[in-house]
Amino acid sequence: DQQVKQNSPSLSVQEGRISILNCDYTNSMFDYFLWYKKYPAEGPTFLISISSIKDKNEDGRFTVFLNKSAKHLSLHIVPSQPGDSAVYFCAASEAGGGADGLTFGKGTHLIIQP
Amino acid sequence: GAGVSQSPSNKVTEKGKDVELRCDPISGHTALYWYRQRLGQGLEFLIYFQGNSAPDKSGLPSDRFSAERTGESVSTLTIQRTQQEDSAVYLCASAPSWGLKNIQYFGAGTRLSVL
Repeated sequence: DQQVKQNSPSLSVQEGRISILNCDYTNSMFDYFLWYKKYPAEGPTFLISISSIKDKNEDGRFTVFLNKSAKHLSLHIVPSQPGDSAVYFCAASEAGGGADGLTFGKGTHLIIQP
Repeated sequence: GAGVSQSPSNKVTEKGKDVELRCDPISGHTALYWYRQRLGQGLEFLIYFQGNSAPDKSGLPSDRFSAERTGESVSTLTIQRTQQEDSAVYLCASAPSWGLKNIQYFGAGTRLSVL
């Protein structure tokens, strides 16, 4: 069973607009969430994270929102740029943090149209 | 280099052969992780090391898979008697320590193709 779900395999957004990537989870023990970005033939790179005690974390053009009651988080990118075209993975970990592996979603391929 | 290094970047092997994949973590990182990504799938956690020990090996797909780490540095993932379903990208990540909410830093992966 998939504990972290990214239901949109791909998303196309026009340059300059807002990109919204969604992620749902089922494990109520998850307490830390991360977004990773992956370009072809490269490893995932960390983008932004959020602890379950918060509902929003912002870093430049990137904002992550967490709705614990709905077990849902989203990544907002504003404004979207061509270099943002990549696969975005949502990941989660249980209480205790990095000692265990992260649980990843299948990813969403974001395509920024010029 | 400053990042996580994995070798080889690509490996093609015949079914039934053994393969060994290598990971050089970021210097000083005590936590090391192995993941697998099959085509069209997310990353699947395999095993992690705290220093040189792996407390939980239950994520390894079968007993054909084994991993070790020496000197709190290099790690090798060995797959014996490879099968076609082992074809995937194998990713290694490291983190400064364990038990905390540390960000994991990934290598570029080894793409394994079993013919």
